[in-house]
Amino acid sequence: DAGVIQSPRHEVTEMGQEVTLRCKPISGHDYLFWYRQTMMRGLELLIYFNNNVPIDDSGMPEDRFSAKMPNASFSTLKIQPSEPRDSAVYFCASSLGTFKETQYFGPGTRLLVL
Amino acid sequence: EDKVVQSPLSLVVHEGDTVTLNCSYEVTNFRSLLWYKQEKKAPTFLFMLTSSGIEKKSGRLSSILDKKELSSILNITATQTGDSAIYLCAVIQGAQKLVFGQGTRLTINP
Repeated sequence: DAGVIQSPRHEVTEMGQEVTLRCKPISGHDYLFWYRQTMMRGLELLIYFNNNVPIDDSGMPEDRFSAKMPNASFSTLKIQPSEPRDSAVYFCASSLGTFKETQYFGPGTRLLVL
Repeated sequence: EDKVVQSPLSLVVHEGDTVTLNCSYEVTNFRSLLWYKQEKKAPTFLFMLTSSGIEKKSGRLSSILDKKELSSILNITATQTGDSAIYLCAVIQGAQKLVFGQGTRLTINP
């Protein structure tokens, strides 16, 4: 299995630009999670989906952030407009069903907003 | 507010030493506790603990959960330089919502 796939791996953009991060979960996994990691705040859960439906988006920092999962094999996290404080590593993770199953992380997208 | 607190935040030891990392939690509807190791990239899974008092072991690493004390420890014996990493503790609460601690940065000097 290829594991969770994220793209791009690195993104450098200017303040005000739109940023789209992409994730392909492990085939068959029905939960998908988006996390953000910074030195200051550590790992934070932004949003998660079950069977393509957003379940909890309470971690999304503000309206500039949005996430979609149009099908079981693809999700996007969009930031519009981006700001320097959005600079972080964004991880996507997926898991198979119940809470007894662990989450598997993608390699992350390192975002730098200038 | 749900929270997971790890200690120490940073630890430097010599190769061969034994280390104990701590994780305490206050969450609603606790399900399980997980330990991850994060080197330069994404976290990799180490252990999932659901039952209190049952030690999980993998080579030189072991971990145990104490639901009465709302805590867990991760032990690493005979440490090696390859054990240097950030060790993350996370708690699953509710239906698959993970709350992470801030991590312990472990450095093993040769």
